[in-house]
Amino acid sequence: DIQMTQSPSSLSASVGDRVTITCRASQGINNYLAWFQQKPGKAPKSLIYAASSLQSGVPSKFSGSGSGTDFTLTISSLQPEDFATYYCQQYHTYPLTFGGGTKVEIK
Amino acid sequence: ELQLLESGGGLVQPGGSLRLSCAASGFTLKNYAMSWVRQAPGKGLEWVSTISAGGSSTYYADSVKGRFTISRDNSKDTLYLQVNSLRAEDTAMYYCAKDLILSPWGQGALVTVSS
Repeated sequence: DIQMTQSPSSLSASVGDRVTITCRASQGINNYLAWFQQKPGKAPKSLIYAASSLQSGVPSKFSGSGSGTDFTLTISSLQPEDFATYYCQQYHTYPLTFGGGTKVEIK
Repeated sequence: ELQLLESGGGLVQPGGSLRLSCAASGFTLKNYAMSWVRQAPGKGLEWVSTISAGGSSTYYADSVKGRFTISRDNSKDTLYLQVNSLRAEDTAMYYCAKDLILSPWGQGALVTVSS
């Protein structure tokens, strides 16, 4: 199985900060990488697919990059509605696997 | 608007069974692979199963293989997950999601396994 390792597992940031979350795959997955946002009590929401393609309706403050084994999700200017848990997921190989999540909290 | 709506969750005793349904609207189900993902209380996301667009190929997590069965009725735009031999560790919110990129997601169906 492909292991997905996210870091950090949590972070504290202020409104307006630039935030970067990393995701590392245990083997190469080309660009078959998606990012999700989940708020408490809600279903996850897709932000990015194919490592860097923004889902329709997702604001451009979110961006993704990377290929192979190393990927990043960047939020350019953190807003109150962005405080949530973020997950990466690879869909290169079954079983599909998720990272452990990164909880973004208010400083 | 693309929407998915799960149903069929509930409280079940260990060893019991349920059938979860996921009704799709706003898109043609038959054109897409579909997946189930679960989340145990306070935990992260765990992929459960995926079925190909035509239904001929199915994939399962090792943790559910032999106990869960994914299926679809494209004429009804509905995805199913038959969950058998349930264990306490299967307690989770079960979400359906479109395609391998998992977008969009339904609101979830809660399955609680307890005596």
